[in-house]
Amino acid sequence: KAGVTQTPRYLIKTRGQQVTLSCSPISGHRSVSWYQQTPGQGLQFLFEYFSETQRNKGNFPGRFSGRQFSNSRSEMNVSTLELGDSALYLCASSLVGRTEAFFGQGTRLTVV
Amino acid sequence: EDQVTQSPEALRLQEGESSSLNCSYTVSGLRGLFWYRQDPGKGPEFLFTLYSAGEEKEKERLKATLTKKESFLHITAPKPEDSATYLCAVQAEAGGFKTIFGAGTRLFVKA
Repeated sequence: KAGVTQTPRYLIKTRGQQVTLSCSPISGHRSVSWYQQTPGQGLQFLFEYFSETQRNKGNFPGRFSGRQFSNSRSEMNVSTLELGDSALYLCASSLVGRTEAFFGQGTRLTVV
Repeated sequence: EDQVTQSPEALRLQEGESSSLNCSYTVSGLRGLFWYRQDPGKGPEFLFTLYSAGEEKEKERLKATLTKKESFLHITAPKPEDSATYLCAVQAEAGGFKTIFGAGTRLFVKA
């Protein structure tokens, strides 16, 4: 059974640019959550999607946005990148009615 | 405000030296408490979910327990391959589906 797949694995972007990250959940999982992980702040919740609807959002600026497609695949977008956006971005999926989430390998974003 | 605090920040053990990691939490109605293991450069790997005080779960050398205020991850006779960061997280009944993570405990097991 394939796990959560995130693409790309690594990205280098310049300040002011925008970036789109992709996440394919485990087959049958309809809930997708996104997290930002940095050495200083740890794992911080960005947002969670279910059936193409955002159900919850963390405390991040509006430059961070996401969406979910009808096949449960999800994308997150960061506009006007700042140096502080450099982080490991993790996607997790879970089954309806289950609380545990399964993570992908993450996308390492470096902003220069 | 919902919070998760893990201690210690780092733990160094000799192979075979058993110990425990602590996760203290404050949450308005616990939906679930989770333990994950994370290796450098990889995503967290799910270990356990605990739902109510008194519950215990085991997997190989790991055993997780839960009280109303904290959870422990007991590591029995650890091996070097158990070296990783162990993350604790909670999901609140009133928090929608937002999961809050602790900062983690970095475990080093020396052969």
